[in-house]
Amino acid sequence: GAGVSQSPSNKVTEKGKDVELRCDPISGHTALYWYRQSLGQGLEFLIYFQGNSAPDKSGLPSDRFSAERTGGSVSTLTIQRTQQEDSAVYLCASSDRDRGSYEQYFGPGTRLTVT
Amino acid sequence: QKEVEQDPGPLSVPEGAIVSLNCTYSNSAFQYFMWYRQYSRKGPELLMYTYSSGNKEDGRFTAQVDKSSKYISLFIRDSQPSDSATYLCAMRRISGNTPLVFGKGTRLSVIA
Repeated sequence: GAGVSQSPSNKVTEKGKDVELRCDPISGHTALYWYRQSLGQGLEFLIYFQGNSAPDKSGLPSDRFSAERTGGSVSTLTIQRTQQEDSAVYLCASSDRDRGSYEQYFGPGTRLTVT
Repeated sequence: QKEVEQDPGPLSVPEGAIVSLNCTYSNSAFQYFMWYRQYSRKGPELLMYTYSSGNKEDGRFTAQVDKSSKYISLFIRDSQPSDSATYLCAMRRISGNTPLVFGKGTRLSVIA
């Protein structure tokens, strides 16, 4: 079946502009995660949606970052007034109970460059 | 100190070598341990998953967890050029759909 998809694959934006990144999770997966992968920093958790529960926003680095998940499926990560330090690969993952491991399936990521 | 420490490498080995990749962690509450493989410009994919201490083998890959030392390892036998990738350790405290805590990843190159 289809995996996690993300769009755009690459985004170049000027400092100060807003950007929206989209994630289409695997159909039926109840959990959706956003991570950020910066050079030399590994994957950092940003925000997590589980079903209809309130999202866990504890990883968002500033109030310029927000995310929503509509209808329990597609999610959009919005970064307002982008800064150069926001340049990174933004990865989305989804999961559900699968062989007991709750494996997280990752999309290919959106590479964001802020100039 | 970060919760999960992983040597970023790069690590370069000849084809056929045994590769050892390691992570240490500081939070004794971690119980679920994973290894992900990430090829260039792709998302990570799950390689191995273990619960608590012990060993798990899957083909050429063996994962070890030593909770007393807060140390986990991934061994790759008979390494192949196709194993060249970044390997990320990850862990979580409880079962279920919860976020993972990742190491920085180790870049591995297997030279033919």
